[in-house]
Amino acid sequence: DAGVTQSPTHLIKTRGQQVTLRCSPISGHKSVSWYQQVLGQGPQFIFQYYEKEERGRGNFPDRFSARQFPNYSSELNVNALLLGDSALYLCASSLGLVSKQYFGPGTRLTVT
Amino acid sequence: AQSVTQPDIHITVSEGASLELRCNYSYGATPYLFWYVQSPGQGLQLLLKYFSGDTLVQGIKGFEAEFKRSQSSFNLRKPSVHWSDAAEYFCAVGASTTSGTYKYIFGTGTRLKVLA
Repeated sequence: DAGVTQSPTHLIKTRGQQVTLRCSPISGHKSVSWYQQVLGQGPQFIFQYYEKEERGRGNFPDRFSARQFPNYSSELNVNALLLGDSALYLCASSLGLVSKQYFGPGTRLTVT
Repeated sequence: AQSVTQPDIHITVSEGASLELRCNYSYGATPYLFWYVQSPGQGLQLLLKYFSGDTLVQGIKGFEAEFKRSQSSFNLRKPSVHWSDAAEYFCAVGASTTSGTYKYIFGTGTRLKVLA
């Protein structure tokens, strides 16, 4: 079975732009979580979706939004990009809310 | 507020030596506890998790961790380290919120270096 996939792998954007990151969970997994990992730090929880509903939110501004589709894939949107948004964005899928999370390889976002 | 502390930023051990990575958490109830490993350029891999029951948890790659409620700790151990264990290790807490949702909090990580 395929693992968690994320696209794109790398992305370069300019301050003020908007970006959309995509995640496909492992087949059968109904929960997707998003994390931001700044270089040298641990992942910071952004969102968790389960059965297409938001079930968890971290301390991120409203510029960050996400959604989950009927096929359980997910998109993370970030508006009005700031330099500080440069990070590795990780997606994790799981069967349920507190089940084992499987992480994807991440999308490296660079904001210039 | 919930938090996770990994007091050791870097640890260096010789191959074959024992290893203990420290993790302390702050949470009002019993949280879900996890240890992840991240190798350079790779994603996070779950080593082990604690939800309830036996406080000594066995994981993959020969790792184990012990939940100590009185010390709010969940330290990771391995009796004999291999060179391939060199990586960054993250302790994480999964906690429910008053609104019935969940959030996951990661520590800042401990970078392990293994000497041949």
